[in-house]
Amino acid sequence: DAKTTQPPSMDCAEGRAANLPCNHSTISGNEYVYWYRQIHSQGPQYIIHGLKNNETNEMASLIITEDRKSSTLILPHATLRDTAVYYCIVRTLSNFGNEKLTFGTGTRLTIIP
Amino acid sequence: DSGVTQTPKHLITATGQRVTLRCSPRSGDLSVYWYQQSLDQGLQFLIQYYNGEERAKGNILERFSAQQFPDLHSELNLSSLELGDSALYFCASSVDGGANTGELFFGEGSRLTVL
Repeated sequence: DAKTTQPPSMDCAEGRAANLPCNHSTISGNEYVYWYRQIHSQGPQYIIHGLKNNETNEMASLIITEDRKSSTLILPHATLRDTAVYYCIVRTLSNFGNEKLTFGTGTRLTIIP
Repeated sequence: DSGVTQTPKHLITATGQRVTLRCSPRSGDLSVYWYQQSLDQGLQFLIQYYNGEERAKGNILERFSAQQFPDLHSELNLSSLELGDSALYFCASSVDGGANTGELFFGEGSRLTVL
C-alpha cells in the first residue's frame, strides 16, 4: 500500500468547514483513498473512500486531485463531536478477504467552540 | 453501533498471566482483524482470519495467538504478559465478496492493563 503524509494536528472553529489534507504521491492506479477517524479511544470509524472521482456522503466530502497524488477530506460544518484523529489510508480493494488497513499517525483535529 | 462485539471491555491482570479476548463479527462477515493500540505505537495490525483460516499476519508477537471458530467468532490469546502489552485491542470485520467496499467495521475494543 502506498504511504500517506498528513499534518499531525489541525484546529477548526465550530460551524466552519474542516479541510484535512493528505499526500499520497506514490499511489498506484488501482489504489483507493480511504478515510477513517477515531474519536478518543473508540474503535476507528469509516468515513468515506474514493478512487479518482470526488465523493460525498452524509458525513463528508472527499476531493481527489486529478493526478491522484493528494486528497482533501472536507467536513462541511464541523461540530465538537468531530474532534478526533483522522486517518488517510491508501490501499487496493480485494474481494477475497484481504482488506487489512495500515494506519499511520493521522491528523488530530480539534474543533474549537 | 458497528455490530462488532468485543469482550471483555476492560481487563486487569498481572505480568506472566494469560488472557483471552473475544470478538464476534457482524452477521455474515467472514473476515476478522485484530489490532493493538498502545500509547506510543498507534494502531498496529496483528492478524487477520478469513472464514476460519489465517489470511494475513502483521506485527504479532510469538506470545500472542489467535483463531477463528466455525461460527466465525474469533479469540486473541495473549500469554506471558508483560507490562508493555497494556493496550487497547480492537477487532474488526469486513464484508467479503461482491458487496465489498473495503470498509472495516471496528468494535469498541478491549482495554488490557498489565500490572
